[in-house]
Amino acid sequence: DIQMTQSPSSLSASVGDRVTITCRASQGIRNDLGWYQQKPGKAPKRLIYAASVLQSGVPSRFSGSGSGTEFTLTISSLQPEDFATYYCLQHNSYPRTFGQGTKVEIK
Amino acid sequence: EVQLVESGGGLVQPGGSLRLSCAASGFIFTNYWMSWVRQAPGKGLEWVANIKQDGSDQYYVDSVKGRFTISRDNAKNSLYLQMNSLRAEDTSTYYCVRGGGAFDSWGQGTMVTVSS
Repeated sequence: DIQMTQSPSSLSASVGDRVTITCRASQGIRNDLGWYQQKPGKAPKRLIYAASVLQSGVPSRFSGSGSGTEFTLTISSLQPEDFATYYCLQHNSYPRTFGQGTKVEIK
Repeated sequence: EVQLVESGGGLVQPGGSLRLSCAASGFIFTNYWMSWVRQAPGKGLEWVANIKQDGSDQYYVDSVKGRFTISRDNAKNSLYLQMNSLRAEDTSTYYCVRGGGAFDSWGQGTMVTVSS
């Protein structure tokens, strides 16, 4: 199985901060990676697919990069509505595996 | 607009069975792999199973193999998850998801609680 190691597991940040979340795959997954945002009591929402492609309707302050084993989600200027938990997901092989999540909290 | 509406969750005793359903609308159902993803209370996301467009291929996470069966009825635009021999650790919110891995749309989820 491919393990997705996400870091940090949580972070505190202020509105306007630049935030970076990293996912490391235990083996190469090309660019078969997505990033998801989940707010309490809600279903996850896809932000990024194919590692760096912005989902339609998602604000441009979100961006993704990486290929192979190292991936990054960046929020260029954190907004109040961005406080949530973020997950990466690899779909290069079975079983599909998620990172453990990064909870972004208000400082 | 893509809509995925799950139903069938509830409280079941250990060893019991439950069948989840997902009604899909707003897209051509037969064009897509479909999946189930679950989330235990306060925990992260876990992919459970997926099924090919025509139902000819299915994949499962090891922890549910032999106990869960994913299926679909393309005439009814519906996805199903038959869950047998349920365990306490299966307690989760179960999401119906469009896609086989690049999950682009999610239902609101249905809660399954396995407890005596």
